[in-house]
Amino acid sequence: GEDVEQSLFLSVREGDSSVINCTYTDSSSTYLYWYKQEPGAGLQLLTYIFSNMDMKQDQRLTVLLNKKDKHLSLRIADTQTGDSAIYFCAESIRDYKLSFGAGTTVTVRA
Amino acid sequence: NAGVTQTPKFQVLKTGQSMTLQCAQDMNHEYMSWYRQDPGMGLRLIHYSVGAGITDQGEVPNGYNVSRSTTEDFPLRLLSAAPSQTSVYFCASSRGQGVDQPQHFGDGTRLSIL
Repeated sequence: GEDVEQSLFLSVREGDSSVINCTYTDSSSTYLYWYKQEPGAGLQLLTYIFSNMDMKQDQRLTVLLNKKDKHLSLRIADTQTGDSAIYFCAESIRDYKLSFGAGTTVTVRA
Repeated sequence: NAGVTQTPKFQVLKTGQSMTLQCAQDMNHEYMSWYRQDPGMGLRLIHYSVGAGITDQGEVPNGYNVSRSTTEDFPLRLLSAAPSQTSVYFCASSRGQGVDQPQHFGDGTRLSIL
């Protein structure tokens, strides 16, 4: 089956780095995504990584992929209060479908 | 350009009632889908459509019907609402598969079944 697992909560001090971890099971996944959900809103695509890549950096965001261990992480440098949200890891499965993790709630404290 | 529009934003129903959640997109996207979001469970796919006239079941289709008569609209129908269907429902659309064609999400419909 397609299971994506994430830890549910992360608390981080403003200015520190946040690291959100995710494991997935479908080794045939083509793309892996990180989505952000702010309160009362839908999901917004943050970044993605293609399965033949190990790392991708996009401004304050760094995505690391360990395909052997099926482990994906998202690092947010210099975390700000505006980064407080729920972050979802997702893998592409058959056709157009995405399989989502349960989401990690990130709380940024002053 | 409104993107993905969902209506209503909030709804309270009694057990056994039926209703339709509306979803419309103005991006000419072929692919549309419905998810439900429950605490600690992420998003689960209910139904999806790869184009007008074509629908298929997702992970949790029971109790829901969909139709896709036009490219723009993809309504989700609850036939006989049950408390277990209390959830936040998201509609999403994309041109296709691939990172250059990510899914665009609506803001959600918060549904409570009493």
